Amino acid sequence: EDQVTQSPEALRLQEGESSSLNCSYTVSGLRGLFWYRQDPGKGPEFLFTLYSAGEEKEKERLKATLTKKESFLHITAPKPEDSATYLCAAKSYNTDKLIFGTGTRLQVFP
Amino acid sequence: ETGVTQSPTHLIKTRGQQVTLRCSSQSGHNTVSWYQQALGQGPQFIFQYYREEENGRGNFPPRFSGLQFPNYSSELNVNALELDDSALYLCASSKYNTEAFFGQGTRLTVV
Repeated sequence: EDQVTQSPEALRLQEGESSSLNCSYTVSGLRGLFWYRQDPGKGPEFLFTLYSAGEEKEKERLKATLTKKESFLHITAPKPEDSATYLCAAKSYNTDKLIFGTGTRLQVFP
Repeated sequence: ETGVTQSPTHLIKTRGQQVTLRCSSQSGHNTVSWYQQALGQGPQFIFQYYREEENGRGNFPPRFSGLQFPNYSSELNVNALELDDSALYLCASSKYNTEAFFGQGTRLTVV
């Protein structure tokens, strides 16, 4: 069964303290791996799509990487406005649906 | 270019009632998907429509149904509401096989 697992569930960082979020996936034939940011009570905001192992994408303080079993979202020198829940989702060639993890709730303190 | 918009933003219904949620797709998108997100969980896929036809469904009972219109807007209908249907309902639109963009969601509370 296709599955996405994210860790840690919650992460507290001091402003400027870099860290990484993990997304492990078990999907038969990965079509794409997606990262979203979600603020409380709002819809997910698209960040990145990764298609093949070794691929990397960057946006401001965020960098997403992909291996054959995992994806990482690296946050460099985070700021309080980076506080949100970060969701990882996978899509396989067998289906058009996004399979989401439960997310990592990130809090960045000044 | 307008984004994905959903209405209403909040809704309170009584158990056993029926509800219709609406979604306007982003301009140029022909695919719409609906997701249910319980508190503290990731979104769960309900179904997807492509060019007005359902082309994928998650593990949700038949009382969850939908429509996509020629302008690619969409509706989610839920009959015989249960307390467990209380959640954030998310609509996402995309061009076929590309990244999905989500609306702000509809918060449904069933009492």
